[in-house]
Order: sequence, then structure tokens, then C-alpha cells
Amino acid sequence: DVKVTQSSRYLVKRTGEKVFLECVQDMDHENMFWYRQDPGLGLRLIYFSYDVKMKEKGDIPEGYSVSREKKERFSLILESASTNQTSMYLCASSLLLQHTDTQYFGPGTRLTVL
Amino acid sequence: KQEVTQIPAALSVPEGENLVLNCSFTDSAIYNLQWFRQDPGKGLTSLLLIQSSQREQTSGRLNASLDKSSGRSTLYIAASQPGDSATYLCAVTNDYKLSFGAGTTVTVRA
Repeated sequence: DVKVTQSSRYLVKRTGEKVFLECVQDMDHENMFWYRQDPGLGLRLIYFSYDVKMKEKGDIPEGYSVSREKKERFSLILESASTNQTSMYLCASSLLLQHTDTQYFGPGTRLTVL
Repeated sequence: KQEVTQIPAALSVPEGENLVLNCSFTDSAIYNLQWFRQDPGKGLTSLLLIQSSQREQTSGRLNASLDKSSGRSTLYIAASQPGDSATYLCAVTNDYKLSFGAGTTVTVRA
């Protein structure tokens, strides 16, 4: 079974803090994704990575950056957290970028920025 | 830009009733459509994936249909149980990218 884990289930930070969200997958998947989920808006793609050290912007990359130094680990970084980044953050991975492949999701990190 | 809509946003039914969840999308040039389940405070679990060339997929009590030309999919859950209570999300794939609906939250009353 694919396992995608996220470092924290709940996180509370202050405005202006630098925040790191970590995601690890154990199935040697090539691709990893970061989404945020807000009520009424569904999931929106922030960034994805198709290889180590490679990254692509998604629909809403502003205010975020990512890092992928190892294949199994994908980090989302909020350089200076703001209250409008309060959200549920979900990480996912997939073996292939091909459209036949499904994504496997982690349990999510609920981030509150005060 | 792909837009995915799920109606209704919430649904409450008595146990044993069949569930019908709807999903519509604006760009019919999709590669596949997936239905996911999300339990409160949890991640997403893939339920069914329908390729663009398929009309439906079945898994146990779940059946999903796809009408690509009209931009619609329906998820049927037969003989609902309290354990089916969750949020169900629909997502379509254009190239590598998944576009999600906001979900339908289902409550099955015992």
C-alpha cells in the first residue's frame, strides 16, 4: 500500500513566521503535489514536482515555495505566513504523470495563521 | 480553465436509500474522471477512476457513469449505510493536472 505522510496534523503559526510543511511518500513515486483545500473551493494545486530538484507552479503558487532534495520528500514553504494562508494542506504523490495514473493523498495538515 | 461543479453541496438520507451524486465539468477534453472520498479531517481516498473512453465503472455498491460530451458524471451508491457518511469529491484530469469540485457532504441517518 502506498503511504503518504505529513509531518503535522495541526499547526498554529503567527503572521510573518516562516512555515515548513513536510511530506514523505514511501513508494518511490516520481511525482509529488501540494494542494490547499478551502470550504466551497475544493482542492487547488499550489506546486508539483516531477523529479528531484524539479518543480512547476500550479494554480495558486503566490506566497509559497517548495523544495525537493530527495525523491521521497517534498516540502512546502510559506516564507512569511499570512492569515489568508489558513487552510488545510494536502500532499499527494503519483508514480507517473500520465493521465491514467491516480494520485495518493496524505492525511492533511490543518494550518492556522494568527 | 476547467471548472468542476458538484450539486448538491450536502445531502442527508435515511439508511438504505440509494445515493445519487452529480458532477459537471466545463471542458470535455478530459483524460479521466475520478471520484474520491474524504472523511472529516482526513486525506482523500480514490474510489473509482473512469477513463475518457469508458462509460462507467463499478466497485461493489458504487457505480459511476461518465458522459464526456455533455460534461457530466454521476456516482451512485446503492443501499446506503451510516459508514458511507463522508464528503465525496469529483476530479477530472486534463494532461497531468487534476481539477476538483468542492464536494458533496453526505450524511446517512441510522
